[in-house]
Amino acid sequence: KQEVTQIPAALSVPEGENLVLNCSFTDSAIYNLQWFRQDPGKGLTSLLLIQSSQREQTSGRLNASLDKSSGRSTLYIAASQPGDSATYLCAVRPQDYGGSQGNLIFGKGTKLSVKP
Amino acid sequence: NAGVTQTPKFRILKIGQSMTLQCTQDMNHNYMYWYRQDPGMGLKLIYYSVGAGITDKGEVPNGYNVSRSTTEDFPLRLELAAPSQTSVYFCASSYAGGNYGYTFGSGTRLTVV
Repeated sequence: KQEVTQIPAALSVPEGENLVLNCSFTDSAIYNLQWFRQDPGKGLTSLLLIQSSQREQTSGRLNASLDKSSGRSTLYIAASQPGDSATYLCAVRPQDYGGSQGNLIFGKGTKLSVKP
Repeated sequence: NAGVTQTPKFRILKIGQSMTLQCTQDMNHNYMYWYRQDPGMGLKLIYYSVGAGITDKGEVPNGYNVSRSTTEDFPLRLELAAPSQTSVYFCASSYAGGNYGYTFGSGTRLTVV
């Protein structure tokens, strides 16, 4: 059964730091991996989608990498800002989930706090 | 382009009451999903649909029902609310399976007392 783990569960950094959030998954048979941002009391906003054939995706100050063979992904945030404070969720789309087509398997998230 | 719209945003139910959580998308996505999010537990799939008239159970379907009469709408029905159904419910959609990403709604926060 596919499991997704995110480390650390919480992270606090001063403004301006570059930081890395980690995501690991147990089964490399995935279609893609998606990083989401969730603000308190809000929905999920998609940040980056990496297909299984890709190594990385970039959007502004965000860069996500994928190493499918080792079951790892990282989300790199450059020059962090207080507005980046949120929970970041990693999710994989397995190629086989007992027939539940296209289901996403989520990690529990990393809660990021960027201090001014 | 509204994306995925969920209503209501908040609701308090008494034990045994019923309600329907509404979800609609305007992106012509074929696949739609209902998740629940409990504190510290991540998101769990309740039901999903790969097209109008087709629905199937996810990981935690007990106590819920769904229907998919149109491509746009995917309502979630709670028949006899229980305190264990207190959660935040998210609807999501994707164009299809495989390589397509998901779009999520803003959620419905449900409390059963």
